[in-house]
Amino acid sequence: EPEVTQTPSHQVTQMGQEVILRCVPISNHLYFYWYRQILGQKVEFLVSFYNNEISEKSEIFDDQFSVERPDGSNFTLKIRSTKLEDSAMYFCAGGQTSRLVYGYTFGSGTRLTVV
Amino acid sequence: AQSVTQLGSHVSVSEGALVLLRCNYSSSVPPYLFWYVQYPNQGLQLLLKYTSAATLVKGINGFEAEFKKSETSFHLTKPSAHMSDAAEYFCAVSDIGTSYGKLTFGQGTILTVHP
Repeated sequence: EPEVTQTPSHQVTQMGQEVILRCVPISNHLYFYWYRQILGQKVEFLVSFYNNEISEKSEIFDDQFSVERPDGSNFTLKIRSTKLEDSAMYFCAGGQTSRLVYGYTFGSGTRLTVV
Repeated sequence: AQSVTQLGSHVSVSEGALVLLRCNYSSSVPPYLFWYVQYPNQGLQLLLKYTSAATLVKGINGFEAEFKKSETSFHLTKPSAHMSDAAEYFCAVSDIGTSYGKLTFGQGTILTVHP
């Protein structure tokens, strides 16, 4: 079964550094999402992306965050200047359609630790 | 705005016992409802979903859930727990009218199965 692949699985970075989290969606997916889960807390929506544009973003997704799909395959989340509170598990997800009746597929996540 | 409440952050059952994980939602419009499971160090896997068809939904691994509009609930059950069911379970909701497929998650319930 096709998978959404996220790299790296674990990244440690110093506060203030830039990080890029990478996701390789399933090839026929058109809609892409980033979610995060701070340890012990809910899974939270960050952003949705379609047709090379952000279609919706949450309050969490401030100017420090950006997403892009530079080469038509990888879907990346960049945090420009990491803060301690950015430490979390970040999940990428994708779907063929925005209609959730079909569901979408999550990757296994990248655990980001900011020190 | 939608919200999801999962009653009980930890549930412990004996192998072979009934599993009941509770989920209540609030939504201003008829929702889509989902249960996801997360095994240690893995991503979110869809267990089942309710998308306005039958109110009793059967999923993978013997799990099922019943949508009760009058109670705004979508509790997850399994008649007989297996050791392999030990994981964290997340209930999630999305408005049918959502354009871009955003999910709102509950805080999760960790299921422990003991011999």
